[in-house]
Amino acid sequence: KAGVTQTPRYLIKTRGQQVTLSCSPISGHRSVSWYQQTPGQGLQFLFEYFSETQRNKGNFPGRFSGRQFSNSRSEMNVSTLELGDSALYLCASSLPSGRQETQYFGPGTRLLVL
Amino acid sequence: AQSVTQPDIHITVSEGASLELRCNYSYGATPYLFWYVQSPGQGLQLLLKYFSGDTLVQGIKGFEAEFKRSQSSFNLRKPSVHWSDAAEYFCAVQDSNYQLIWGAGTKLIIKP
Repeated sequence: KAGVTQTPRYLIKTRGQQVTLSCSPISGHRSVSWYQQTPGQGLQFLFEYFSETQRNKGNFPGRFSGRQFSNSRSEMNVSTLELGDSALYLCASSLPSGRQETQYFGPGTRLLVL
Repeated sequence: AQSVTQPDIHITVSEGASLELRCNYSYGATPYLFWYVQSPGQGLQLLLKYFSGDTLVQGIKGFEAEFKRSQSSFNLRKPSVHWSDAAEYFCAVQDSNYQLIWGAGTKLIIKP
């Protein structure tokens, strides 16, 4: 079974631009979560989508948004990029299965904002 | 508040030596615990998880972890490390919204 895929793997943008990242979950998985990883803040939860609805949201500004399509693929968008948005963005998929849920991660998209 | 602490930022171990990475959690209910590994420039790979039952959990790549409720710990162990184990290791606890709360990670360095 194919794993979680994320595109693109690398991106370079300039401040003020916007960016869209894509995530395709493992076949059959209906929940997709997004995380931001930086050296200073570590791994931080952005949001989670299930059945095309945002189910949970972390503590990030409104510039960070996402959506999920009917085939469970998800996109996240960051508008008006700031230097501090430079990070590895990780996507994880899960079945979900309630309390005993296991998340499987993609390779990430590394975003550099200049 | 829920939290995960990995007290060691870096650990250096000789190849063939045993390894223990520490993880302490703070969570009010029954914790669901995970260890993930991240190689440089890569995503996170699940090593093992604890939901219930036997407190000694076996994972992939020869890793195991032991859940100790009295100590709020979930330490990761391996009897003999290989150079390919050099990576960063993350401990996480699942919160009430089924999301993961992460430790800061421990970077494992292997001496030849």
